[in-house]
Amino acid sequence: DTEVTQTPKHLVMGMTNKKSLKCEQHMGHRAMYWYKQKAKKPPELMFVYSYEKLSINESVPSRFSPECPNSSLLNLHLHALQPEDSALYLCASSQVERGEYEQYFGPGTRLTVT
Amino acid sequence: RKEVEQDPGPFNVPEGATVAFNCTYSNSASQSFFWYRQDCRKEPKLLMSVYSSGNEDGRFTAQLNRASQYISLLIRDSKLSDSATYLCVVPRGRALTFGSGTRLQVQP
Repeated sequence: DTEVTQTPKHLVMGMTNKKSLKCEQHMGHRAMYWYKQKAKKPPELMFVYSYEKLSINESVPSRFSPECPNSSLLNLHLHALQPEDSALYLCASSQVERGEYEQYFGPGTRLTVT
Repeated sequence: RKEVEQDPGPFNVPEGATVAFNCTYSNSASQSFFWYRQDCRKEPKLLMSVYSSGNEDGRFTAQLNRASQYISLLIRDSKLSDSATYLCVVPRGRALTFGSGTRLQVQP
């Protein structure tokens, strides 16, 4: 079973709403990631946090705002989204030391923007 | 050339068959490689890591050919439960680059 949890499982929001996606991992990993996945496509990286600091932003629009309150938690704040932002949002975590790059994914939040 | 390219699939095979997926990558400096499987509407799950010439885990064998920049995944004695999309993944620094995936459907 995955040790990365995500809430909520499903989210429907209007274009004027503000919502947040939450991710938690209990594996002691110090790198955490947000991915976006559209149907029949592979996951696309959005953000990387390493030691609670943002290290990669893959040119994501500012209507997506990540936050890493501590080493176990990762949030994605959503504001003024567009219907094309509807997708599965996946959180992942990994070790940072020893060059280990295996990432472990949470079950995802399926987001629908109306 | 794409960073990671996979067989487009889908592969439809009977139970008990042996099936192989291929993946090529463009960055010759890549040192590690992964195969993930993803079931419909689920998250990707790590299947195998490949750091040297290959790796074997039960019915699954991954092989790496650095000279040709080519990775393969072999599944022996296919089970119905192997039906999924298989993603070839190559690290790019802290990020992962995913291939487009190969769909496998094992039929009774």
